[in-house]
Amino acid sequence: EADIYQTPRYLVIGTGKKITLECSQTMGHDKMYWYQQDPGMELHLIHYSYGVNSTEKGDLSSESTVSRIRTEHFPLTLESARPSHTSQYLCASSAPSGTGMNTEAFFGQGTRLTVV
Amino acid sequence: KNQVEQSPQSLIILEGKNCTLQCNYTVSPFSNLRWYKQDTGRGPVSLTIMTFSENTKSNGRYTATLDADTKQSSLHITASQLSDSASYICVVADRGSTLGRLYFGRGTQLTVWP
Repeated sequence: EADIYQTPRYLVIGTGKKITLECSQTMGHDKMYWYQQDPGMELHLIHYSYGVNSTEKGDLSSESTVSRIRTEHFPLTLESARPSHTSQYLCASSAPSGTGMNTEAFFGQGTRLTVV
Repeated sequence: KNQVEQSPQSLIILEGKNCTLQCNYTVSPFSNLRWYKQDTGRGPVSLTIMTFSENTKSNGRYTATLDADTKQSSLHITASQLSDSASYICVVADRGSTLGRLYFGRGTQLTVWP
């Protein structure tokens, strides 16, 4: 079982509210990722980080923002939630590339977000 | 364009039967190919990971094969169990960047009936 945790597991929130999805890992991994997944569809990378104070946007444009102040913590924030943000958000982490390009990516359980 | 295609989209089998899931990819330059199992409403869990030089890898009742020449992979499940019901995702990593970008297929939804 991977040591990467997401909270909350489920969130139903009204339009216009500010939300933060939490992601923490205890494996000391430098790389962390946020993916968005709609039902029956593939995962899309929305943010990633190489380490502390490093954040980059992924392939899928997202109105969310992320921060990486500590190695183990990679929260995702939506300043003003909209129904179009309804989706599953998955956090993942992996070891530094110096340990080999085949390092495993471990996923959290996901947060199912519904904006009404 | 880097893509990962999986087939079939969904599959229903009876408990105890075997099945094979397919994955074709166009990701280049290739680094490795992974199969993940994703239960409904949960995060993906790794089953196997194979590099260019590996043709087959097993994890219990799961056996993955890789043909890097034809860019095809398969996941064979033996003696299926009800708990095998899940989405199986093929993921290909490139080695064109330090990120080791991951490309995801849409998954095959497997349902095992008693």
